[in-house]
Amino acid sequence: NAGVTQTPKFQVLKTGQSMTLQCAQDMNHEYMSWYRQDPGMGLRLIHYSVGAGITDQGEVPNGYNVSRSTTEDFPLRLLSAAPSQTSVYFCASSPSRPPNTGELFFGEGSRLTVL
Amino acid sequence: AQSVTQPDIHITVSEGASLELRCNYSYGATPYLFWYVQSPGQGLQLLLKYFSGDTLVQGIKGFEAEFKRSQSSFNLRKPSVHWSDAAEYFCAVGAREAGKSTFGDGTTLTVKP
Repeated sequence: NAGVTQTPKFQVLKTGQSMTLQCAQDMNHEYMSWYRQDPGMGLRLIHYSVGAGITDQGEVPNGYNVSRSTTEDFPLRLLSAAPSQTSVYFCASSPSRPPNTGELFFGEGSRLTVL
Repeated sequence: AQSVTQPDIHITVSEGASLELRCNYSYGATPYLFWYVQSPGQGLQLLLKYFSGDTLVQGIKGFEAEFKRSQSSFNLRKPSVHWSDAAEYFCAVGAREAGKSTFGDGTTLTVKP
């Protein structure tokens, strides 16, 4: 019963490098989202998706790209990493139907450091 | 735009004492309200949620929260805190659509023995 799986758990990048954070869910949830967590700032929404082929921007989308080719996967791409992107990243999924409508199911997080 | 305010950054209580964590929200329609808990190095876990109906909702681990529309509040309570409750707590407001929520900045709970 995996739920939401994120990889890698830890990553160190140099400024300007690119990478992809992977996220997969096995609960057949329609909605998926990426948040970043910074000290004292709670979680801020980066991008989200309401279904395969549909994505939209959240509160802090700059510097990040996403795509959703399948229901299960929602990768987050950093095209040119910057120190300001040092953060903990959480992927979450959510069902559109009761009884858990609107509830976010989180992965364990990916800690990214950009030097 | 929707927003959430958690006025207390850090709260310390003694084990066995009661707890109340405050949450105020701003939302244009009927909100979906949530409380999540995060243990160190872990993801977030849902404690409880309010969608409609009874304004006092019960959650896991003995927590409850009361929705007060007139005060735009959704405070979290527990009658007797256990040492294992030490964690960071997040209040969130969201719409049913799209499964996205806006989070408060969190309240860190320390439990004294």
